[in-house]
Formats: sequence, structure tokens, C-alpha cells
Amino acid sequence: GESVGLHLPTLSVQEGDNSIINCAYSNSASDYFIWYKQESGKGPQFIIDIRSNMDKRQGQRVTVLLNKTVKHLSLQIAATQPGDSAVYFCAENTGTASKLTFGTGTRLQVTL
Amino acid sequence: DAGVTQSPTHLIKTRGQHVTLRCSPISGHKSVSWYQQVLGQGPQFIFQYYEKEERGRGNFPDRFSARQFPNYSSELNVNALLLGDSALYLCASTRGQGDYGYTFGSGTRLTVV
Repeated sequence: GESVGLHLPTLSVQEGDNSIINCAYSNSASDYFIWYKQESGKGPQFIIDIRSNMDKRQGQRVTVLLNKTVKHLSLQIAATQPGDSAVYFCAENTGTASKLTFGTGTRLQVTL
Repeated sequence: DAGVTQSPTHLIKTRGQHVTLRCSPISGHKSVSWYQQVLGQGPQFIFQYYEKEERGRGNFPDRFSARQFPNYSSELNVNALLLGDSALYLCASTRGQGDYGYTFGSGTRLTVV
């Protein structure tokens, strides 16, 4: 399938290492944030979410950190695997219906 | 259970033509949203429909329109196609308005030549 992001920032990590993907958001009124994974030829896949009244949330091998002071979101992936290779997007809800505003994305490349 | 299904998967159109893209939400989901994803960028919100009514619209020209049917499926229509309309068009469904549990389809890749 076609690549979804030919000119995106790229993070290369070795298999087994931890990955940290960062995202800056712009709207201080946003109250809900989601991380999505998008593989080539597929739609975005939900990874983990966090509400603005929290600063950390953990899932299976993933952790999201939210710093509202500097409007920064990060996704940590533990023990990165080849199947984690994809483009990762953060998205924020701006309070308008169910509209999500997506960031520009980061390509994660896992090397063996 | 079937996920969000979109058709067609790929489409090539000529400038000035019209296109209709289709989306079937997950069973039980009543809200459908449409997003445009240009190569190298994140998805951009076009429309949200809930209970057959438009509930939100992004910054897109009037050439873009959509509708939702009684079975909650949806169509996105684009008139007078431009080269810049070439993109991956994504449909996402949720249970209801204000529910952020989006599930995305795999999209329709539209190429305008």
C-alpha cells in the first residue's frame, strides 16, 4: 500500500528499546487527547487516550503523558517491536461535536 | 463484527468530475465523520453526521457535501474535482455525538488527474 507520510519526522529505534514520540498541541481548551497508529494503506488505529484532568495513563506497553502547562503530549512505547513500525498521530478534541484535530505525525522505524 | 467499511478503496477521476464515496459504520454506531488526509499530513475534519443531521463541518468549500441515511451509512460527495482533492478520505464512526471512541475505516484513495 501507499505510504501515509513520505516527509514526516522519523524516529528510528532498535527492537527492544523504548520509544518516545512527542506532540505539541495548540488549543489550551482541548479536553481529550488520543494517540493513533497508522500503517501503510490503513486507517488510523486507536492506541490510547487521556482526558485533560489526568497527566498520565498507561496501557499495554504504552504510556501517554500530558503536560498542560506547556501543551505537550508524549507516547511512550516499551520494548518496541517491528510491528510497531508505523506513523503515529496525536489528536485533540477541540470541544466541537466530535471533531478531532490531528498533529502532523511521526514515523517510527524499528530496526532489528 | 465488521468494522467501518468504505467503498471504493481506490478511485481515479478527472478534474471537473464528481465523486461519491460511501461508508458503512460499525453496527450500533449512529455517528459518522469524514476526514481528508493529504499525503504526508494528518487527517483533517470535513463533516460529522449524527441521526442523519449535520452536526459539524470543517473548513472545506461547498463543493464538499455529505448525507447520512436511515441505516446510518453515509455518502461524501465532491463536485468539480480539483487536483488538490487527491487524498485518502477516511470515515470514522462512533456510538453517538460527543462519543470520542472513533473507529476509522481504511479509507478511499482518490486520485484526480
